[in-house]
Amino acid sequence: AQSVTQLDSHVSVSEGTPVLLRCNYSSSYSPSLFWYVQHPNKGLQLLLKYTSAATLVKGINGFEAEFKKSETSFHLTKPSAHMSDAAEYFCVVSARNQFYFGTGTSLTVIP
Amino acid sequence: DSGVTQTPKHLITATGQRVTLRCSPRSGDLSVYWYQQSLDQGLQFLIQYYNGEERAKGNILERFSAQQFPDLHSELNLSSLELGDSALYFCASSPSAGPNQPQHFGDGTRLSIL
Repeated sequence: AQSVTQLDSHVSVSEGTPVLLRCNYSSSYSPSLFWYVQHPNKGLQLLLKYTSAATLVKGINGFEAEFKKSETSFHLTKPSAHMSDAAEYFCVVSARNQFYFGTGTSLTVIP
Repeated sequence: DSGVTQTPKHLITATGQRVTLRCSPRSGDLSVYWYQQSLDQGLQFLIQYYNGEERAKGNILERFSAQQFPDLHSELNLSSLELGDSALYFCASSPSAGPNQPQHFGDGTRLSIL
């Protein structure tokens, strides 16, 4: 069975400080992992994906994530938050044609 | 702009009714996915079609059905609507069918049941 847990429902950071959004997953198979961002009243936009190549994955807008199999984690990071990063972030695990979304982390960026 | 078009953007109807949501995938994408996003259930995968054939099923109710047409657009049919079906319904598309395919999402159809 597959599942994904986003450990924080809300994260608040100051502009210019690092961002860490945490995601743990469970999968009986070799999963693909994704991070998506959703701005208000918009669809989801792909930030990055892991598909069993390099464990450190770089995405758009300065985001990156590291796949750690031993910890079953796929945390999303960014060195310096920007006001435009304020949004809802979803971690997704995919295996055997099933897609499981985390409950989302709402990121607030304080000026 | 993701290239995925969903219509209508908003839909208001009553319990017991039937509605059809439409999705046009990005040019060249063969796979279409449907999702439901609600406050209590979060984002749930409903169903996937690939090149006209059903590929995978998630938490789709029997009252719901979907199809993908030869021109690759897809429709999600919701019948015998209940108050709990009020949600944002997203369509996404990808070039092929594999689980490692990144998906491109439309802006959704907001369905309100009165």
